[in-house]
Amino acid sequence: SQKIEQNSEALNIQEGKTATLTCNYTNYSPAYLQWYRQDPGRGPVFLLLIRENEKEKRKERLKVTFDTTLKQSLFHITASQPADSATYLCALAPDSNYQLIWGAGTKLIIKP
Amino acid sequence: EPEVTQTPSHQVTQMGQEVILRCVPISNHLYFYWYRQILGQKVEFLVSFYNNEISEKSEIFDDQFSVERPDGSNFTLKIRSTKLEDSAMYFCASTNRVPNEKLFFGSGTQLSVL
Repeated sequence: SQKIEQNSEALNIQEGKTATLTCNYTNYSPAYLQWYRQDPGRGPVFLLLIRENEKEKRKERLKVTFDTTLKQSLFHITASQPADSATYLCALAPDSNYQLIWGAGTKLIIKP
Repeated sequence: EPEVTQTPSHQVTQMGQEVILRCVPISNHLYFYWYRQILGQKVEFLVSFYNNEISEKSEIFDDQFSVERPDGSNFTLKIRSTKLEDSAMYFCASTNRVPNEKLFFGSGTQLSVL
C-alpha cells in the first residue's frame, strides 16, 4: 500500500544541536515534497518545498534533502532553539494532479 | 502578513444537527481546501475548490458535506447531519501558487459532536 512514514516517537534534542527528522515514503514518485510545522491547536505552517530534481534546499537554519532513490527526505534544523519545539509534518502529492498526502508528523522537543 | 481566518474557533453541536464552518482565504488566492485532523492523527484531505467548483474530493467528503463560495471572500463547509465521528479540527487552506504547493492554513475550527 502507499504510505508516508515519519518517526512517531518524539525527538528530544539539546538546544544548540542539529535536529534531523525523517520522512520515508513507498510506492510514490512525487514531483515534490513539502515540510510544515504544526503547533498544538494550530494549523500547519509551510516551511520548505523540495522538487524531485533538487537534492537539497535551505532556508535560514533549515535544510531539506530529497533522495528519490531511497524514497526519503531529511529535514534538519541547525542551532536548534526551544522555540523550534513543534510537530513537523511532511506532505507529498503522488502526482501533480493529486491531492497532498500527509505524514503523521514527528514531535520535536528542544531542551534548554 | 495576510492570513486565512476561520470562524468559529470552537463549535459544539448535537448529533444530527447541521453545522457551517466559515473561512476567509487570503484575498488573491485561487485554490481553496478543507482538511480535517482528528486529535493525534494525520491531516486528512476533504475537498479542493477552484474556479467556483469542486476540483477534487476525498472519500470522507460524502453527501453530508458541501462547500460554497457565496461571495468573493467567504468559503464555507457545511455538514448537513453531523455524526459523532465528525468530531475533529477542521482546517481551511488556500494558495495562489500551483495547486497544492505552499498552502496557507487557518487556525482551524474544533468541532465537537455530542
